[in-house]
Amino acid sequence: SQQGEEDPQALSIQEGENATMNCSYKTSINNLQWYRQNSGRGLVHLILIRSNEREKHSGRLRVTLDTSKKSSSLLITASRAADTASYFCATDAAGNTPLVFGKGTRLSVIA
Amino acid sequence: EAQVTQNPRYLITVTGKKLTVTCSQNMNHEYMSWYRQDPGLGLRQIYYSMNVEVTDKGDVPEGYKVSRKEKRNFPLILESPSPNQTSLYFCASSFGLGIGNTIYFGEGSWLTVV
Repeated sequence: SQQGEEDPQALSIQEGENATMNCSYKTSINNLQWYRQNSGRGLVHLILIRSNEREKHSGRLRVTLDTSKKSSSLLITASRAADTASYFCATDAAGNTPLVFGKGTRLSVIA
Repeated sequence: EAQVTQNPRYLITVTGKKLTVTCSQNMNHEYMSWYRQDPGLGLRQIYYSMNVEVTDKGDVPEGYKVSRKEKRNFPLILESPSPNQTSLYFCASSFGLGIGNTIYFGEGSWLTVV
């Protein structure tokens, strides 16, 4: 039961540009998290935003959450080649339910 | 160092030969989970466990078994592997669910069933 859907599926940008990835989900959530996965490696947590928050920053990352539209965006500013990875959103619904991951956005940053 | 360790990392096996992928975490986490990742399908949860002796099916449990006899370990068992179980498998753990806990992932186990 995949809840989060990332968009676009793939994104290719030049180093120094900003990258924006979006996530839409279907049901009400407690929290939304973004994870990063380098090719063939385990996922690594990036940032969590709670349902009562609208925006959160962490270094070059900016996450927004619009619960009325059931969507979130992840912005990576001043991208670097090392940002090349897949990015997943994961939603955390009410109650003790497991996080549900989307299919991910594959970001390529070209030096 | 906080870690989720899974073994083996790479395995080629034959159809029908039972195998176990081990998973261990050193963070005293209550919640553990197994996912498989396939191209175009993203991460799909196989089984999860909220605590010792408590396990639940995820989205794709068919063909898999798990056990949680100790808090730190959560092995994934393929009793009779088939080629459609060829995939990249991840073990993950966190303190709990529903309260925004970060999930920690292992490095993955590449399994090929021929």
